[in-house]
Amino acid sequence: EIVLTQSPLSLPVTPGEPASISCRSSQSLLFSNARNYLHWYLQKPGQSPQLLIYLGSNRASGVPDRFSGSGSGTDFTLKISRVEAEDVGVYFCMQTVQTPPTFGGGTKVDIK
Amino acid sequence: QLHLVESGGGVVQPGRSLRLSCAGSGFTFGRFGIHWVRQAPGKGLEWVGVIWYDGSKGEYGDSVKGRFTISRDNSKNTVYLQMNNLRADDTAVYYCARDYREIVVSYYFDYWGQGALVTVSS
Repeated sequence: EIVLTQSPLSLPVTPGEPASISCRSSQSLLFSNARNYLHWYLQKPGQSPQLLIYLGSNRASGVPDRFSGSGSGTDFTLKISRVEAEDVGVYFCMQTVQTPPTFGGGTKVDIK
Repeated sequence: QLHLVESGGGVVQPGRSLRLSCAGSGFTFGRFGIHWVRQAPGKGLEWVGVIWYDGSKGEYGDSVKGRFTISRDNSKNTVYLQMNNLRADDTAVYYCARDYREIVVSYYFDYWGQGALVTVSS
């Protein structure tokens, strides 16, 4: 199965500053239709995960535009242009180019 | 408003069975595949399996294949996760989640339930 490696494991952030999380895959997530089957979720404390970004770079409904996803093949990045206090939690990447779907280990974002 | 609500969690002895339910509302339940994803205490997420929108097909992760079965009753807007021969490493919060796409299973999800804790312990 495909292994996703996220970095960093922990990311202290300052409100108003940008933040970036990396997700690297053991195999290419680029399908023949030119879409990258990599998605990002945020699990806020005490809550279930919520979809942020799907297919590499598409923001899910209701997700603020300060969140963006980029990358292709095996290297992907989630960026927050200006972190807000409500953005704290654990961020997971997930791949669906191959079954079973697999998740990265998570990056915990908290406020400095 | 869209909701998914899990129920049926609890403490169960190793080797025994437990059935979780996932009730959906606020959307056309019978048009979406439903997944189960679990999270062991302090650990990451693991995909358990999925059932097609019409119940015609299910797929499972290797760690639960042959022990867990997903079924659904669209007349009740409910999906079930039957867990047999439970082991200590099945201890986790179990989430149901709606597939992103109608009819076709995309394997990624947009809405999740709040989760149900299953503890396997003697």
